[in-house]
Amino acid sequence: DGGITQSPKYLFRKEGQNVTLSCEQNLNHDAMYWYRQDPGQGLRLIYYSQIVNDFQKGDIAEGYSVSREKKESFPLTVTSAQKNPTAFYLCASRISDVNSPLHFGNGTRLTVT
Amino acid sequence: KNEVEQSPQNLTAQEGEFITINCSYSVGISALHWLQQHPGGGIVSLFMLSSGKKKHGRLIATINIQEKHSSLHITASHPRDSAVYICAVSPRGSARQLTFGSGTQLTVLP
Repeated sequence: DGGITQSPKYLFRKEGQNVTLSCEQNLNHDAMYWYRQDPGQGLRLIYYSQIVNDFQKGDIAEGYSVSREKKESFPLTVTSAQKNPTAFYLCASRISDVNSPLHFGNGTRLTVT
Repeated sequence: KNEVEQSPQNLTAQEGEFITINCSYSVGISALHWLQQHPGGGIVSLFMLSSGKKKHGRLIATINIQEKHSSLHITASHPRDSAVYICAVSPRGSARQLTFGSGTQLTVLP
């Protein structure tokens, strides 16, 4: 079955360490997105990519980095520069049409202590 | 002020009740989405609509473009409907896809 896989489901890191969250999709979607979810707030866009080897900053890109070397993969690195990295991170993808529905992964809960 | 406002933030209902969740937005949109997030965190898309009404099983979504308002209705609610329901809009002309509301936590008691 086609879908989006995020791994791991739970991730624990010490403050000051970089950490990379994985997102893989086999839906042949062109566009991929990373969102951050905090309690009581709507999902906020970190980075998005509409095509391989190209990506744009979202609303809260500071302290994060991404790459899009393959259509299927859009990993997110949370760097030590991110002031408050503990959150739930969701990856999503869709076809090129901006009005097509998003398909979401099951998320990664990152805890930094 | 958020571009997308949902009400209520929390809703508790008895099994069988008719449920309504509201969403208001302040920008021009090309589409509005209703999403469901289960306790494990995964999100599924329920509806995408730009006018009128859509129905899927016990779920009904309506939108009034002039009033910038949408409602999600659940008929004959069931405990398995317990989840967070999220309204999101596709701002017209934006390639970023969606602006999200903060969600409505629905709990249906048996």
